[in-house]
Amino acid sequence: GEDVEQSLFLSVREGDSSVINCTYTDSSSTYLYWYKQEPGAGLQLLTYIFSNMDMKQDQRLTVLLNKKDKHLSLRIADTQTGDSAIYFCAESILPRGKLIFGQGTELSVKP
Amino acid sequence: DVKVTQSSRYLVKRTGEKVFLECVQDMDHENMFWYRQDPGLGLRLIYFSYDVKMKEKGDIPEGYSVSREKKERFSLILESASTNQTSMYLCASSGAANYGYTFGSGTRLTVV
Repeated sequence: GEDVEQSLFLSVREGDSSVINCTYTDSSSTYLYWYKQEPGAGLQLLTYIFSNMDMKQDQRLTVLLNKKDKHLSLRIADTQTGDSAIYFCAESILPRGKLIFGQGTELSVKP
Repeated sequence: DVKVTQSSRYLVKRTGEKVFLECVQDMDHENMFWYRQDPGLGLRLIYFSYDVKMKEKGDIPEGYSVSREKKERFSLILESASTNQTSMYLCASSGAANYGYTFGSGTRLTVV
């Protein structure tokens, strides 16, 4: 069945890099997504990667995709206290693009 | 700016009440979804709809129903609210298959 797994917590110091990891099971996934949820708010789309790409960079964010191992990661460079949030990865399941979400990784950034 | 709007940010209801949670999107999206979010359990899909007047059960539909009379509006109904339905409820919509979801800000429902 479809499943997406993430570790639940990550703590880093301000200025360090953060790496949030995710594994998924459906090899037919076309797009994979990273969402950010700040306290008390909904989810906002951070970035996404098409399944035929290995890497995507967007300012401080780098997404790496290892399709063979079904492993996705999000690297945040120069992590700031404003990056403290829950980060969800999700895979898109055909035919309608239904998203399967991981449980979310709570990132805590310490000054 | 495209939007998914949930009618209430915070709601307090009594056990046994019928509760309506409203969600409206202005993006002409076909697909709409209702999730609940609880600590340690992530997002769990309650119901979704791929078209007007269509609905499909998600992973945890028990105790809930939905209504989609118009394309832009997707309502979640708690027929008889119970304390174990205290949660954060998130609505989302999507258009083309691979553009992901747009989420509302969420409704934090407390049932007392």
